[in-house]
Amino acid sequence: DQQVKQNSPSLSVQEGRISILNCDYTNSMFDYFLWYKKYPAEGPTFLISISSIKDKNEDGRFTVFLNKSAKHLSLHIVPSQPGDSAVYFCAASLLYAGGTSYGKLTFGQGTILTVHP
Amino acid sequence: DAGVTQSPTHLIKTRGQHVTLRCSPISGHKSVSWYQQVLGQGPQFIFQYYEKEERGRGNFPDRFSARQFPNYSSELNVNALLLGDSALYLCASSTTGGLGQPQHFGDGTRLSIL
Repeated sequence: DQQVKQNSPSLSVQEGRISILNCDYTNSMFDYFLWYKKYPAEGPTFLISISSIKDKNEDGRFTVFLNKSAKHLSLHIVPSQPGDSAVYFCAASLLYAGGTSYGKLTFGQGTILTVHP
Repeated sequence: DAGVTQSPTHLIKTRGQHVTLRCSPISGHKSVSWYQQVLGQGPQFIFQYYEKEERGRGNFPDRFSARQFPNYSSELNVNALLLGDSALYLCASSTTGGLGQPQHFGDGTRLSIL
């Protein structure tokens, strides 16, 4: 049961334009969401997060939007740069988890972003 | 400041053997989580430890076990290795266990089972 889904396996964008990466989730109990970037041979690097009490969070070129009613979040990168080319994962967790789910991040399958010069 | 460090970076084992993977968290972080990532998928949660106690467990068989030491470093042990255990094993640390705070990942141990 894939509770977090990234339906686009890949995305190609021109340098300077906007990159929009999408993520859908099915578990309405999720209330904390994160985006990670992963280069080959490296571990995932934390980019930005958002809790369910917000619908938008910005950090420099990165903005995450959350639509709880649609169970959808997106990551906007503006402007996109060639160095942004990587695999992007969205992840979700329970802010007040108990039992075996404590601290568990549930990841999507990832989207490969390629930014062309 | 050093990030999360994992050792070894690569490991080759044969079926039936056991393996121990090691992780040192970011200084000041008391929680360590372990994830398994197979090719083409996102990381899958295996365990979380906080203050040396297991707090979270994913859907993995009992062949997988872990522990956390007084200095907050951690080991992941896998017994009776199967071909399907071939994966990238990631360790992540956080201050309070990740509730409302991001987990920070190491570069992983690539485990290959022959």
